[in-house]
Amino acid sequence: SAVISQKPSRDICQRGTSLTIQCQVDSQVTMMFWYRQQPGQSLTLIATANQGSEATYESGFVIDKFPISRPNLTFSTLTVSNMSPEDSSIYLCSVVWTGLEQFFGPGTRLTVL
Amino acid sequence: DAKTTQPTSMDCAEGRAANLPCNHSTISGNEYVYWYRQIHSQGPQYIIHGLKNNETNEMASLIITEDRKSSTLILPHATLRDTAVYYCIVRGPRNTPLVFGKGTRLSVIA
Repeated sequence: SAVISQKPSRDICQRGTSLTIQCQVDSQVTMMFWYRQQPGQSLTLIATANQGSEATYESGFVIDKFPISRPNLTFSTLTVSNMSPEDSSIYLCSVVWTGLEQFFGPGTRLTVL
Repeated sequence: DAKTTQPTSMDCAEGRAANLPCNHSTISGNEYVYWYRQIHSQGPQYIIHGLKNNETNEMASLIITEDRKSSTLILPHATLRDTAVYYCIVRGPRNTPLVFGKGTRLSVIA
């Protein structure tokens, strides 16, 4: 299986600022995804992080708000821009392994004041 | 949108088998059934998946009905550490992302 780490594990930020979350995988993987989990809710897919090209965003998520980079097959970043309290969530990186199994990082807990 | 229906919550006595049902009546022939669980704000943990045959691993068993319209996840001897939200997910082609529904909150009671 793939081992995924995320930095930071948690942060408290002021509204109007931006936070970049890092995701590191211990193996090369083709597919990487970013999810959001708002308080008390299930996981929602934000985007697919594509290596060497622009991310593919789900309905309701835009690049200006959630820019994503994927410079290689083991690393990706998600930036939450111009934050508001509504962005307070857990953000999770996820990868597909062997095409069938999908694994998740431990998440980044973001609180926006 | 999620393609599955699960009860909102269930209780199970410690040491007993926990049987978690899931309906997926619109499942297609090439779609798999996956189960994950999430223990209080941790990242979701993979449990098991199957296509049409029953599956078993060290964590659980997955029973899929012959028509594939429903399935049951079985935790044979539930412990307090199995208290979590359990997600049943129908997933299509390889490399497509999982789409989560609301899941079942399982409480294992001593």
